[in-house]
Amino acid sequence: QSVLTQPPSASGTPGQRVTISCSGSSSNIGSNTVNWYQQLPGTAPKLLIYRNNQRPSGVPDRFSGSKSGASASLAISGLQSEDEADYYCAAWDDSLTGRGWVFGGGTKLTVL
Amino acid sequence: QVQLVESGGGVVQPGRSLRLSCAASGFAFNSYGMHWVRQAPGKGLEWVALIWYDGSNKYYADSVKGRFTISRDNSKNTLYLQMNSLRAEDTAVYYCARDLGWFGEGVQHWGQGTLVTVSS
Repeated sequence: QSVLTQPPSASGTPGQRVTISCSGSSSNIGSNTVNWYQQLPGTAPKLLIYRNNQRPSGVPDRFSGSKSGASASLAISGLQSEDEADYYCAAWDDSLTGRGWVFGGGTKLTVL
Repeated sequence: QVQLVESGGGVVQPGRSLRLSCAASGFAFNSYGMHWVRQAPGKGLEWVALIWYDGSNKYYADSVKGRFTISRDNSKNTLYLQMNSLRAEDTAVYYCARDLGWFGEGVQHWGQGTLVTVSS
């Protein structure tokens, strides 16, 4: 059971826009920034979005992030077959039991 | 460019210990926080531990607290993870990762990972 909640799967057709949600609480997303990661099959994850909506150099502007309250979203526009991957959100968590980074359970994106 | 190369993985019996190493290059190692993140076979990512750029602060996931110790040697550009009292549920690919900044803004760069299998 992950601290951050993501839908297990999402899908879209080429060219379509898809969004992936990430729900947390006041101890994580509600008070800290969110990062998003893309993991292609058989490879290490890659940073896609940091500080809610910032793209590292080299990441296409088809990828965008947003945050509102204790939830965040990743949007992918102009969907391409190469976007088929697992996507994870992450945030720092300051709870009564401890402090540390937490990941969402991941969303498997299928390009139909 | 940033390079992170993990080593030390393998098969170990439950209750035993293992130490992972991560050799870093291509950046000022002593200026960045470092993480260990793991991924069990067919499962999602699980953050394990974070150490600040100078080693002054360390944070652990509840699942490894008291059993795992993260450390670094800035003179050798190397990150470590000492894993004691290993359990079957610790079986995973362990990724060494560099932070966005010096104190823990989140993982920016990832190594390729090393597989740890805990089994009798």
